[in-house]
Amino acid sequence: AQSVTQLDSHVSVSEGTPVLLRCNYSSSYSPSLFWYVQHPNKGLQLLLKYTSAATLVKGINGFEAEFKKSETSFHLTKPSAHMSDAAEYFCVVSEVYNQGGKLIFGQGTELSVKP
Amino acid sequence: DTGVSQDPRHKITKRGQNVTFRCDPISEHNRLYWYRQTLGQGPEFLTYFQNEAQLEKSRLLSDRFSAERPKGSFSTLEIQRTEQGDSAMYLCASSPSVSTEAFFGQGTRLTVV
Repeated sequence: AQSVTQLDSHVSVSEGTPVLLRCNYSSSYSPSLFWYVQHPNKGLQLLLKYTSAATLVKGINGFEAEFKKSETSFHLTKPSAHMSDAAEYFCVVSEVYNQGGKLIFGQGTELSVKP
Repeated sequence: DTGVSQDPRHKITKRGQNVTFRCDPISEHNRLYWYRQTLGQGPEFLTYFQNEAQLEKSRLLSDRFSAERPKGSFSTLEIQRTEQGDSAMYLCASSPSVSTEAFFGQGTRLTVV
C-alpha cells in the first residue's frame, strides 16, 4: 500500500533564507509524486510533479524537488523564501496502474515565513 | 472559468438533515475524485469515478454517504442523516485518464450544528 510521511508538521523560516520541507513515501510500484500548496481559504494548487522522468523537478514560484528512490524521499526546496510562500504544503503519492490514480496525501507541513 | 467547480461553497445544516453537494469537473476529464479534509489534516480519499462508473470507495465512506456521476460529467455527493463528525471540507478533483495530475475545486465547507 502506498503512503506518505511529511516529517515536519510546521516549519518556520526567515524571508530570504532557504526552505526545506521533507517527505518520505512508500509505494509498491513506480509512483508519481506531487507537491500541492494550499493557501488559507484557497483551493489546492499543484506546485510540481514527478512522473519517472528527470529526478530533479522544477515547479512554480521557484520551488523544486528531488526524487531519491534509494531514500524513498521527495523533499521540496526553495533557495529563498518569500512572505507569499506562507501556506500549507502537501506531499502526495499516486499509483496510476495499481490504484486508479487516486492521490494519497501526507498530513501537511505548515510553512511560516518571518520578515 | 474552465476549472473544477463545486456548489455550494458553504453549507450549514442541522444534525440529522440530508445534504447534497455538486461537482462539475473540467470538461473531458473522465476521472473524478471526492476527498474530505478536516482542520489540520491532509485530504482523505473518499471515492472516485472513471466516467460514470464508481470504481472505488474508501472505508471512510459509511452507508450514509453516496456518490453518483450519472452521465459521466458532473457528480453529486449526498450525506444522509448528517452527524457533527461530518463537518469538514469536501473537495472534488478531476483528471484525464492518461495523467496522474488532479485538479481541485475550491471545496464545499460543511458545518453540522
